[in-house]
Amino acid sequence: AQSVTQPDIHITVSEGASLELRCNYSYGATPYLFWYVQSPGQGLQLLLKYFSGDTLVQGIKGFEAEFKRSQSSFNLRKPSVHWSDAAEYFCAVVPNYGGSQGNLIFGKGTKLSVKP
Amino acid sequence: EAGVAQSPRYKIIEKRQSVAFWCNPISGHATLYWYQQILGQGPKLLIQFQNNGVVDDSQLPKDRFSAERLKGVDSTLKIQPAKLEDSAVYLCASSLDRGVWDEQYFGPGTRLTVT
Repeated sequence: AQSVTQPDIHITVSEGASLELRCNYSYGATPYLFWYVQSPGQGLQLLLKYFSGDTLVQGIKGFEAEFKRSQSSFNLRKPSVHWSDAAEYFCAVVPNYGGSQGNLIFGKGTKLSVKP
Repeated sequence: EAGVAQSPRYKIIEKRQSVAFWCNPISGHATLYWYQQILGQGPKLLIQFQNNGVVDDSQLPKDRFSAERLKGVDSTLKIQPAKLEDSAVYLCASSLDRGVWDEQYFGPGTRLTVT
C-alpha cells in the first residue's frame, strides 16, 4: 500500500547534539518529498523539499535532508540542535503519477524534545 | 506579508451541534486547502479549492461536512451535526497556484473539541 512512514514517534536530543529524523515512503514512482515543522500554536512551515537533482537538499533553519532512492528514504538532519528546534516534524509526499500529481500526504510526525 | 488567518482558534461544542470555521488566505493565492489533523496524526486533506471551484473533495465526509469559497477568497468549513470523532485541529492553507512547486502556507488552525 502507498504510504509515508515516520518510524519514531518521539525523539529527545541534547542541545548541541546532532539530529536525524527518519522518513520512508512506499510508492511506485518516486514522489515529491517534503519536510514540515509544526511549533506549538503555530502553523506548519516548510523546511525543505526534493523534486529531482542533487540528493542532498538544504533547507531553512540549518536543516538538510538526503534522498536515497535505494532505501526509499528522505531523512532530515541537523548537525547541532538548538532548544528552539523543539517541535513536531512531518515528512510529506506528493505522489507522482507521471503526467499528473496527487495531493500532499503527511506522515504521522516525530515529536522532538531538546534537553538543555 | 500577512499570513493565512483562521478563526476561531478554539471551539468546544457538544455532539450533534453545528460549527463553522473561517479562513482568509494570503492575498492573491488562488488555491485554498482545508486539512483535518487528529491528535497524533499528520494533517489529512479534506477539500481543495481553485479560486471558487472545488478541485478535490474526495476525503470530505459530505454527509456532515460542507465548505465553500464564495468570490474565490475567504472560505468557511462547516460541520453539521458534529460527532465525537470530529475533535481535531482544522488547518487552512493557501498557495499561489496548485502546482507541486507552489508552496502551501498554513494558518494556525482551529482546535475543535466535541463533547
